[in-house]
Amino acid sequence: GENVEQHPSTLSVQEGDSAVIKCTYSDSASNYFPWYKQELGKRPQLIIDIRSNVGEKKDQRIAVTLNKTAKHFSLHITETQPEDSAVYFCAATLVTSGTYKYIFGTGTRLKVLA
Amino acid sequence: EAQVTQNPRYLITVTGKKLTVTCSQNMNHEYMSWYRQDPGLGLRQIYYSMNVEVTDKGDVPEGYKVSRKEKRNFPLILESPSPNQTSLYFCASSLSWQTGELFFGEGSRLTVL
Repeated sequence: GENVEQHPSTLSVQEGDSAVIKCTYSDSASNYFPWYKQELGKRPQLIIDIRSNVGEKKDQRIAVTLNKTAKHFSLHITETQPEDSAVYFCAATLVTSGTYKYIFGTGTRLKVLA
Repeated sequence: EAQVTQNPRYLITVTGKKLTVTCSQNMNHEYMSWYRQDPGLGLRQIYYSMNVEVTDKGDVPEGYKVSRKEKRNFPLILESPSPNQTSLYFCASSLSWQTGELFFGEGSRLTVL
């Protein structure tokens, strides 16, 4: 079935360094790829997204890249800060045979060490 | 204030006792959906609704029911809860399927003994 694989499951970086989280999706029909940040005890919130007709998108210190051929997309956070510590989820939407699903990755716990 | 509201936020119940988790949004969103979050498994979609009276199964629908009689409400029903349904549940909505961004409720932590 359709799935989204996310790596790594945990990531520790020093403050100021960059962090990269990678996801792979299985169904070539997927066309929307959001990233959500979930702080401890809070709800997930969208931080950036990309659609299948775009290869890269940036918003200040965060960026997302998409390689449709390889079915990979990645989240890049530069100049990490302690407040970036959270769990990050990638997702892919799937529209096929009249269904409209969201498939999430299993999450990456990012720790930014001061 | 634009929001998605879930109730109850916390619930401890026993096997077989029917329960309903309510979800309401005040943003006139068409798309609504339910997820469960379990350690190591991420967020898994239970059911979704494209609009009023239109619902469909997500990836883990077994043991759950939903209804969408009004645009703003999308309750999740557990007819006969079992311990494997102990989880953190999130309701989410978006303006439409095409717009993409999901707005999540605060979550409902359910424990089934």
